[in-house]
This record gives sequence, structure tokens and C-alpha cells, in this order.
Amino acid sequence: NAGVTQTPKFRILKIGQSMTLQCTQDMNHNYMYWYRQDPGMGLKLIYYSVGAGITDKGEVPNGYNVSRSTTEDFPLRLELAAPSQTSVYFCASSYGVGGRQPQHFGDGTRLSIL
Amino acid sequence: AQTVTQSQPEMSVQEAETVTLSCTYDTSENNYYLFWYKQPPSRQMILVIRQEAYKQQNATENRFSVNFQKAAKSFSLKISDSQLGDTAMYFCAFMKHYDFGNEKLTFGTGTRLTIIP
Repeated sequence: NAGVTQTPKFRILKIGQSMTLQCTQDMNHNYMYWYRQDPGMGLKLIYYSVGAGITDKGEVPNGYNVSRSTTEDFPLRLELAAPSQTSVYFCASSYGVGGRQPQHFGDGTRLSIL
Repeated sequence: AQTVTQSQPEMSVQEAETVTLSCTYDTSENNYYLFWYKQPPSRQMILVIRQEAYKQQNATENRFSVNFQKAAKSFSLKISDSQLGDTAMYFCAFMKHYDFGNEKLTFGTGTRLTIIP
């Protein structure tokens, strides 16, 4: 079972470059999320989506964009990479219904901005 | 806004012993969910246990159990008969009760647990 798949696993960017972190899930989950995890910290929500065509900001959305054209895919876009965006990024999905179904996480993408 | 506090950055315990990880939270909500997630060195986030605030009975999952004190806003995790595979970061997390479009987790800063052979 694939679950939540994130690509790439590692990436180094130069300041000002752009890139897209890919996330896809094969569980037909309506809800998808992007988190970032800074060293020694818990995860913070960047953006989330409750279904195809619907996205909303989380706690730390600045510098990021998302789209949700299909149920399966939820890419995260960095337009002008900054050193403050060096972090580990996690994508997650869930069936929804208020915590009764757990969020399933991908393996993360370690991103360094130099 | 909700906050989740884990006051123990690091803990270690001998294999087969019991260890308790602490978590406190602050919320004005009456109905909510609390979670413990495990993050081993592989970075994967794994759900360990979940507690629904309107249930008085503490959740248990095999060797893992919680002590949920709603009035004190405390949610500790007890690991019994600890195993080397329990070595990981453990995160406490909070979610409001079902509210369409609001399935968001708020995480604590984590406790790094090391099981010593």
C-alpha cells in the first residue's frame, strides 16, 4: 500500500529559486495537509485542502502556494526560496470526520535553502 | 487559539521499564481530540493513540496508555515494557471536535525518548 507519497526526499535550493514539492495519496481521502517541521519543533500547518478545488491557509502560509486539482494530488509551491524555508516538509491526508480517522503522513521532504 | 506544551525535551529509560511522557494543553473548547504521534529516525509520523475529550475512559493501545485529566488539561502517555523500537520523538497534538473544514492538528514541540538496552 503506497499511502501518502512525497517527492523528492531531499533537495537543495539556492536563494530565489522556485520548486514544487509533490504529494499524492491513493486512499481517496478528501482532506490533505502540508506541514513544516523546523529543528527541535513540532509540525506547523502551512496549507490544507478539504477537497478538490478547495484550499485554505494554515498557521504559516507566507511564501507558499498550493493547488488541488484532483483528489489524489496536493502540490506545494515555493516561488522565491528563502533561508527561512529550510525545513522538513510533511504532507498528510485523512478521511475527515473530525479526528475519528487519523491523519496519514508521508515520509517528508528535507529542503535546504543556501 | 490552542497551544500544546511538552515540558520534557528529552527522556531516557532502560529497556523493559515504564516511562511517562507529559503533555498539557490550553483551549476554550469543550469537545476535542488529543493524539500522541511517534516519529522514529525514519521521519515517518505514526499515530500511537487517540483520545476523545468527551470520553472519560482513558484510551489504551497494547503497551501504550494515556492519563487524560480534562479539568487539568493534561494528557500524558505511558509506555509499559519499553522496547528498543520505541526510541523516537513523541509529539502530543490537539484537534478541535468536528467542524467542517477545521481538521487541523496543533502539535507540541516533542519529547525525544531513548530506550537504553
